[in-house]
Amino acid sequence: QQQVKQSPQSLIVQKGGIPIINCAYENTAFDYFPWYQQFPGKGPALLIAIRPDVSEKKEGRFTISFNKSAKQFSLHIMDSQPGDSATYFCAASGRGEAAGNKLTFGGGTRVLVKP
Amino acid sequence: DGGITQSPKYLFRKEGQNVTLSCEQNLNHDAMYWYRQDPGQGLRLIYYSQIVNDFQKGDIAEGYSVSREKKESFPLTVTSAQKNPTAFYLCASNFLNTGELFFGEGSRLTVL
Repeated sequence: QQQVKQSPQSLIVQKGGIPIINCAYENTAFDYFPWYQQFPGKGPALLIAIRPDVSEKKEGRFTISFNKSAKQFSLHIMDSQPGDSATYFCAASGRGEAAGNKLTFGGGTRVLVKP
Repeated sequence: DGGITQSPKYLFRKEGQNVTLSCEQNLNHDAMYWYRQDPGQGLRLIYYSQIVNDFQKGDIAEGYSVSREKKESFPLTVTSAQKNPTAFYLCASNFLNTGELFFGEGSRLTVL
C-alpha cells in the first residue's frame, strides 16, 4: 500500500526555471514531511523538512509548501541550476502504531536542469 | 568522521548464492534500516531495527534476513529465495522518534 504518492516521475527545466514536485499522503497520523535529494550512485541526503504546524518553509532556493487539509505538500526549487539535477524523494512519518514510527517514501522524481 | 559505512560498494553473485551486505554506523543511532532501490522506483523498506536483538519486517522482507547483535551493525543477507535480487541497497539510521534519516553510500548487487 503506497501511502505517499509523488508526481511527476521526471521533470526537465531550463536553468533558472522552477521545478515543482508534488506529494500526497493518506495517513493523518503523519506529522513530519522531509524531502531527500539523491545524486547518481549515492545515498539520499536530507534537503529540507516541514511539520504540519506551518504552511511553508524556505531554505536557500528550496521551498516546501504544505496543505494539511488537502494532505498535500510540494517542493519548489527556485532559480534552478544544473547542479540541482538529481532525484528527489518526498517522505512522511509519524509516531505511534498508526504512523509506523518509520519514514514512508514517495516514488521519486528525476529532475534535469538544462544549462 | 561520523557516518554510515556500507560494504561492498559493488557485488556480483551467481544465482542460488546467499550474499551478505555490511552496514556499520558510528553515529550512536538507535534505529537502523535497509531499503531497496530499483531503477525509476522509490525506496522500499526491507527490514528495520529499533533496538539491539530486535528487528521488524518492512514492506518487502521476503527473501532477506537481518541481524542486530550490536548497536552499530545491521547486516543484510540476500538469500537465494529472493527472486529478483539485482538492485541498489541502501542502509540508513537515525535516533528513535526523530525524523532525519542518514543514509550510507549504497551497495549495488548484480546477479549473474
